[in-house]
Amino acid sequence: DVKVTQSSRYLVKRTGEKVFLECVQDMDHENMFWYRQDPGLGLRLIYFSYDVKMKEKGDIPEGYSVSREKKERFSLILESASTNQTSMYLCASSFPPGQGRTGELFFGEGSRLTVL
Amino acid sequence: GQQLNQSPQSMFIQEGEDVSMNCTSSSIFNTWLWYKQDPGEGPVLLIALYKAGELTSNGRLTAQFGITRKDSFLNISASIPSDVGIYFCAGPYTGNQFYFGTGTSLTVIP
Repeated sequence: DVKVTQSSRYLVKRTGEKVFLECVQDMDHENMFWYRQDPGLGLRLIYFSYDVKMKEKGDIPEGYSVSREKKERFSLILESASTNQTSMYLCASSFPPGQGRTGELFFGEGSRLTVL
Repeated sequence: GQQLNQSPQSMFIQEGEDVSMNCTSSSIFNTWLWYKQDPGEGPVLLIALYKAGELTSNGRLTAQFGITRKDSFLNISASIPSDVGIYFCAGPYTGNQFYFGTGTSLTVIP
């Protein structure tokens, strides 16, 4: 079975703190994604990566950065956490759609971040 | 990413009843995905569809890829209390990103 593992299920941080959210997948997927999920707003893409050291901004990249040093690991970084970044953060991974690939997207368990 | 139109937004049903929900898009998709999300958890992939007209089952769940490739349907038969949750559809676009449905919240009354 595909496994996407997020390092922390629940975090509580203070305004201004630096926050690292780690994600590891075990299916050799090229694509990895970070989303945030808020009530009434659905899933919003923060950043995605299609290869090691490659990244693309999503719909809401402001206040976030990412790192992909290894294919299986994709990290989300909040340089200076703010209260409006309190949210559920979801990591996901997939093969890129194409011949022989299904394009299925697999999610991690989620990380609930509260910024005080 | 852009949201797909999903209906109904919420459903309250009696245990044992069947459930139907659907997603529509203005764009053609080559893959349709259906997920279930429990409160505080990540979404779990239920069914993936790859061809127009395809009908695929996973236990009591059946999903169909619409002939026009712009819609998909999910049915749950003989609902049980553990079916409670939010169901949403998704589809890949531009090769590397995904559109998501707005979600259907299902409540099953024992």
